[in-house]
Amino acid sequence: NAGVMQNPRHLVRRRGQEARLRCSPMKGHSHVYWYRQLPEEGLKFMVYLQKENIIDESGMPKERFSAEFPKEGPSILRIQQVVRGDSAAYFCASSPRISGGPVRETQYFGPGTRLLVL
Amino acid sequence: GNSVTQMEGPVTLSEEAFLTINCTYTATGYPSLFWYVQYPGEGLQLLLKATKADDKGSNKGFEATYRKETTSFHLEKGSVQVSDSAVYFCALKGGNAGGTSYGKLTFGQGTILTVHP
Repeated sequence: NAGVMQNPRHLVRRRGQEARLRCSPMKGHSHVYWYRQLPEEGLKFMVYLQKENIIDESGMPKERFSAEFPKEGPSILRIQQVVRGDSAAYFCASSPRISGGPVRETQYFGPGTRLLVL
Repeated sequence: GNSVTQMEGPVTLSEEAFLTINCTYTATGYPSLFWYVQYPGEGLQLLLKATKADDKGSNKGFEATYRKETTSFHLEKGSVQVSDSAVYFCALKGGNAGGTSYGKLTFGQGTILTVHP
């Protein structure tokens, strides 16, 4: 069973461009989480999605950031008009749906996408 | 809201030394607690977890016990190896996060561990 896949692993963008980060969850996992890791910091939650639904986006910046998890295909984190402060590692995690709810589910992390904004 | 505090790093040890990385948390209710490890250039790997008070998580010689009375989940290993050099993150999920936020992990700032031969 392949792990969580993220691509690209490294992404370079110039200020003002768009960045699209992709996440394919583990087989059978229907929940996806996105986290951001700024240099020298821990991971910060951004958004929690289930298939075709955004469940919790309390960690998403109000502007320029959006996320989706369509019925078919990977989850996408989209950053419009990138700025230098968006440079970070973006990690996706997936978990299965089990009884007991999200608090009991283990999240499995992908290798991350390292975004550099020039 | 939920929060996690880890001991300041970096931590540098010689091989076979004893390791402790302190972690304390703030949450009401009964969160689940985790330790994740991140090797250079890689994503996070779950090291161990505990889902209720007094549970002990263990894996690869690492242990941590969920102490509700001290709100702590300290990571320990009796004899570290060079291959244990990595960044270690303490995290929690649940507690008083509320409603649909139960799924998100709250991380500490990470502790860099370097083990020398």
